[in-house]
Amino acid sequence: KAGVTQTPRYLIKTRGQQVTLSCSPISGHRSVSWYQQTPGQGLQFLFEYFSETQRNKGNFPGRFSGRQFSNSRSEMNVSTLELGDSALYLCASSHNYNEQFFGPGTRLTVL
Amino acid sequence: KQEVTQIPAALSVPEGENLVLNCSFTDSAIYNLQWFRQDPGKGLTSLLLIQSSQREQTSGRLNASLDKSSGRSTLYIAASQPGDSATYLCAVSWLGSGGYNKLIFGAGTRLAVHP
Repeated sequence: KAGVTQTPRYLIKTRGQQVTLSCSPISGHRSVSWYQQTPGQGLQFLFEYFSETQRNKGNFPGRFSGRQFSNSRSEMNVSTLELGDSALYLCASSHNYNEQFFGPGTRLTVL
Repeated sequence: KQEVTQIPAALSVPEGENLVLNCSFTDSAIYNLQWFRQDPGKGLTSLLLIQSSQREQTSGRLNASLDKSSGRSTLYIAASQPGDSATYLCAVSWLGSGGYNKLIFGAGTRLAVHP
């Protein structure tokens, strides 16, 4: 069974731009969660989607948004990028409320 | 506030040693606890999942225990090898947190196993 995939793997953007990251979960998993990892703050929960609905949200500004499609693939969008948004963005999928499996991440650099 | 703490922050051991990584959490009303491994610049690899009703889980040379009453979990690695070098992360989800898939992570323990 294929694992969680994320595209692109690397991105370089400039301040003020927006970016869209994509995540394809393990087949059969309907829950997709997004996390931000930075050296200063560690891993922080962004949001979770289940059956195309946002089920939970972390403490991030409204510039961070997401969505999920009927095939469970998910995208997250960051608008008006700031230098502090530079991070590794990880998505995880799970079947119901069980073990979570993470993708390789998207490394975003904001210049 | 629900928090996860991992001690030590870093550990360097010679190959072959048995070692214990510690994780503590506030609020014993957890849903589950998961241990992950992360290699530099990579994603997270799930090692063990312990449900709140369980006391321990084992996979190969790894054993994870859970003591909800004291708010602690330990990851035991037997006969460590250089390939075990990585950062180990403990993550907890809580009941009533608004979503059982919301994981709160510790800062991790960076392990180096030298030949």
